[in-house]
Amino acid sequence: SQQGEEDPQALSIQEGENATMNCSYKTSINNLQWYRQNSGRGLVHLILIRSNEREKHSGRLRVTLDTSKKSSSLLITASRAADTASYFCATEETSGSRLTFGEGTQLTVNP
Amino acid sequence: EAQVTQNPRYLITVTGKKLTVTCSQNMNHEYMSWYRQDPGLGLRQIYYSMNVEVTDKGDVPEGYKVSRKEKRNFPLILESPSPNQTSLYFCASSSTWTGYDSPLHFGNGTRLTVT
Repeated sequence: SQQGEEDPQALSIQEGENATMNCSYKTSINNLQWYRQNSGRGLVHLILIRSNEREKHSGRLRVTLDTSKKSSSLLITASRAADTASYFCATEETSGSRLTFGEGTQLTVNP
Repeated sequence: EAQVTQNPRYLITVTGKKLTVTCSQNMNHEYMSWYRQDPGLGLRQIYYSMNVEVTDKGDVPEGYKVSRKEKRNFPLILESPSPNQTSLYFCASSSTWTGYDSPLHFGNGTRLTVT
């Protein structure tokens, strides 16, 4: 079953702009993770935020988590053409021993 | 270099011909998993393994088998492939399954076509 749902499905911006992607989920979680996938390649882990955290930063990435709304957002600041990729949120449910992925947001950064 | 290695990268086969996709990790990870990725459906888990000799079904296990005889290897077996198993397959591993500091490391994928 799909736990996370990303929004928007696709996002196109100009280089230098900020990109914001959202993720909603349905059940209680231990943590939420964001991954990046370049076309046809394996996913690469970007950042993990625990259920008791509200915000986390890593370089140009900022992730927020609102457990009351069961939602998260990923902000990429000062985007670059090299940020073009699909971005997935994944949740580790408290009841399970696996990571459930959403369908992803396709980000295109135009030079 | 720490990595998850899948082979082959591309595979074209015919219905009913048994095949195995290999997966190996060199990070001494306990947890390993197989996903398939299809357009519009995202990544769906096929099977996972918490440790050697421990495997369990994910969301879409039908038509697949796995084994975990050694810590580093987690092959995916399709006993009788069918066209609906045409997909992009990913193997992934992580050090443990608490998740708190154990993100998944993915292989580069195997694109399987069953005709």
